[in-house]
Amino acid sequence: AQSVAQPEDQVNVAEGNPLTVKCTYSVSGNPYLFWYVQYPNRGLQFLLKYITGDNLVKGSYGFEAEFNKSQTSFHLKKPSALVSDSALYFCAVRATTGGGADGLTFGKGTHLIIQP
Amino acid sequence: KAGVTQTPRYLIKTRGQQVTLSCSPISGHRSVSWYQQTPGQGLQFLFEYFSETQRNKGNFPGRFSGRQFSNSRSEMNVSTLELGDSALYLCASSSGGWGNTEAFFGQGTRLTVV
Repeated sequence: AQSVAQPEDQVNVAEGNPLTVKCTYSVSGNPYLFWYVQYPNRGLQFLLKYITGDNLVKGSYGFEAEFNKSQTSFHLKKPSALVSDSALYFCAVRATTGGGADGLTFGKGTHLIIQP
Repeated sequence: KAGVTQTPRYLIKTRGQQVTLSCSPISGHRSVSWYQQTPGQGLQFLFEYFSETQRNKGNFPGRFSGRQFSNSRSEMNVSTLELGDSALYLCASSSGGWGNTEAFFGQGTRLTVV
């Protein structure tokens, strides 16, 4: 069984400061890892993904994430936070086995609040 | 390119009734997945369809079912509604049949069971 943990329900960051949203995962074999963002009353928007290769992946809106296999982590980062980054962030994992039929397993989500 | 379209956006149903939700994927996408989002359980996988075949199903009772049509549009049905079925139901489509492609989500259907 696969699982995702987002240990912080909420992260507060001052505008202009760097931000980190933490994610750890558990999966049999190698993972496909994703970050999504959800704004109020909206669906999820794709930010970035790790499939293979370079451990640092860059995504939309200046976000990036670092894959760490030994720590089974995939933390989301941004060098300088904007108030408009305030939203609910989800980390998700899917095993590389299963041929794509397995659904994404999501973490509980982390509320990111950027203070002006 | 139009995104994933879910209809209706909001539904209010009475306990015991059934409901059908619709999802139109991004043009060219053959994989459609459904998720249930609730404050208590978060996002949970319901099922995934690819080329009209259900390839996987999450841990939900048989009251939850779905199908996919030849044009990749998908419907999900919930029979004998319970109060606990109140949730945001999200549909997602992806271009490939493999797990390395990202899913694009619709805005969801907010189902309220009273």
